[in-house]
Amino acid sequence: SQKIEQNSEALNIQEGKTATLTCNYTNYSPAYLQWYRQDPGRGPVFLLLIRENEKEKRKERLKVTFDTTLKQSLFHITASQPADSATYLCALDRGSTLGRLYFGRGTQLTVWP
Amino acid sequence: DAGVIQSPRHEVTEMGQEVTLRCKPISGHDYLFWYRQTMMRGLELLIYFNNNVPIDDSGMPEDRFSAKMPNASFSTLKIQPSEPRDSAVYFCASSATGTGVQPQHFGDGTRLSIL
Repeated sequence: SQKIEQNSEALNIQEGKTATLTCNYTNYSPAYLQWYRQDPGRGPVFLLLIRENEKEKRKERLKVTFDTTLKQSLFHITASQPADSATYLCALDRGSTLGRLYFGRGTQLTVWP
Repeated sequence: DAGVIQSPRHEVTEMGQEVTLRCKPISGHDYLFWYRQTMMRGLELLIYFNNNVPIDDSGMPEDRFSAKMPNASFSTLKIQPSEPRDSAVYFCASSATGTGVQPQHFGDGTRLSIL
């Protein structure tokens, strides 16, 4: 089965710095990889999607990279703010039409002033 | 636009009771997913439907769990009888397609506590 590891359970950084979260996977090569944000007491919210033939995708202060050789995705938040504090989940599929997403455990990011 | 709606938001009940969780997906979405989230195991897929038909229920823990989707706008997840180890947050999500191209839209979950 697909195994997904996110670099750490918690990451603490100072406001204004760049946060970098890691997602590593094994066994399969996904066609798509997605990143979600989850706030306490809420469901995950979709942020970005990157395809296997894309190396990088940006959205405002967010940047995602996808290295299929390393089987790794990096999620960057530049100029981080306390409002960015949340848990970030990566999710991938197997490129099939089965519809299933495999989620990592998430990394809890805290940005302190 | 209305998102995925789940009810109830919180449920506290005693062991052995029947629990029914409800979900209304986003209109027009043809995939519906039920997840369970715990600190120990993270977000686990229990079952998902395509056009109201169950596609994969391999994540359903045991026969005490059942899910139905009688129409495109409603789904239920039932636990009977409930046990303390079923305590978790249960999420429903929907998406427009079954591939990875489209994101999944989650409800805010039902926090279930079995005493």
